Amino acid sequence: DAGVTQSPTHLIKTRGQQVTLRCSPKSGHDTVSWYQQALGQGPQFIFQYYEEEERQRGNFPDRFSGHQFPNYSSELNVNALLLGDSALYLCASSLKGRGGGPRNEQFFGPGTRLTVL
Amino acid sequence: QQPVQSPQAVILREGEDAVINCSSSKALYSVHWYRQKHGEAPVFLMILLKGGEQKGHEKISASFNEKKQQSSLYLTASQLSYSGTYFCGTAGGDDKIIFGKGTRLHILP
Repeated sequence: DAGVTQSPTHLIKTRGQQVTLRCSPKSGHDTVSWYQQALGQGPQFIFQYYEEEERQRGNFPDRFSGHQFPNYSSELNVNALLLGDSALYLCASSLKGRGGGPRNEQFFGPGTRLTVL
Repeated sequence: QQPVQSPQAVILREGEDAVINCSSSKALYSVHWYRQKHGEAPVFLMILLKGGEQKGHEKISASFNEKKQQSSLYLTASQLSYSGTYFCGTAGGDDKIIFGKGTRLHILP
């Protein structure tokens, strides 16, 4: 089992450009969540995808969008990049539990380090 | 609302114990604990659910006070491998996990 994989590992972009980050979940998982982690901070929730739909969203602008494919893999797109978007972007996969709230552990990928110049 | 973790940082000698606290201002459904080493992804330690269910590693213990909306992670007989930043994440009735700013733990030999 390869666990959660993300690509690319590093990316350098300039302000105003657009970027697409990719995530493949752990085998058997159906839910993908994306986080932004600035240096020295905790991961900040961007959004979560389940059954190819965005189910939950954090306090991020519409420049941040995503997609989930039938094989459960996911993409995070960021448009009109700002300097402040420089961060480690983490993808986490899990199995959707029954009932309200997250009941199962999330497995994090190694992340994509995005630098915006 | 982001949970508040305390202490922000702690230094221990190998074999000593530590407690990391996590407090939220809203009603919680679950609390999630992760450890992240420098340059690596966060690694799951434990989930504590409303109602008392817990899932996690055998060597990790934690508590969840639902009424006070607080959780504590107990690290006993610390080992060098315990070094890293510990994050608590809290969730209400939805699937959003909101993480705190972390507690940096450094273990000295």
